[in-house]
Amino acid sequence: DGGITQSPKYLFRKEGQNVTLSCEQNLNHDAMYWYRQDPGQGLRLIYYSQIVNDFQKGDIAEGYSVSREKKESFPLTVTSAQKNPTAFYLCASSRSTGGLSQPQHFGDGTRLSIL
Amino acid sequence: SQQGEEDPQALSIQEGENATMNCSYKTSINNLQWYRQNSGRGLVHLILIRSNEREKHSGRLRVTLDTSKKSSSLLITASRAADTASYFCATDLFFSGGYNKLIFGAGTRLAVHP
Repeated sequence: DGGITQSPKYLFRKEGQNVTLSCEQNLNHDAMYWYRQDPGQGLRLIYYSQIVNDFQKGDIAEGYSVSREKKESFPLTVTSAQKNPTAFYLCASSRSTGGLSQPQHFGDGTRLSIL
Repeated sequence: SQQGEEDPQALSIQEGENATMNCSYKTSINNLQWYRQNSGRGLVHLILIRSNEREKHSGRLRVTLDTSKKSSSLLITASRAADTASYFCATDLFFSGGYNKLIFGAGTRLAVHP
């Protein structure tokens, strides 16, 4: 079955440490997204990528970095510069639309906590 | 910035009753989408309604859109315990290249009791 796989499901970060969250999709989607969700709140966009080797900052990109070397993969690194990283991180993908919006497909998230 | 705001924040009903959730937004949109999120899981797309549509149905779901009032509603009829989840509206803004950027509200937490 096609879908998006995020790993790990739970992740703990030590002080001063960078951690990388994995996101893989086999839906053949061009666009991929990373969101952050805090308790009782909606999703906020961290980074998005329209095509391979290209990505753009979202609304809250500070302290995060991404890469898009393959169409299927869009890993997110939470750097030590992100002072409040505890949150639920969601990866999503969508088809390119040629001007028409499309639904986004989501993975099941990674919950990041501070040790 | 948060574009959509859902109302109510929480809703508790009995199985078999209907559930109505509302979403208001501030600026003109291209489209609006509704998503469901079960606890600890990712979001699942429910319905996309385009700005030139007024109503859309999918099974027990009915979505309306009133662009003059900048509001949308999601109606779940004959609710079931399995409908217990958070429901989010997301307004759809285009950025360059024709890809959609979604701006999510804080969601409505629906609890359906057997």
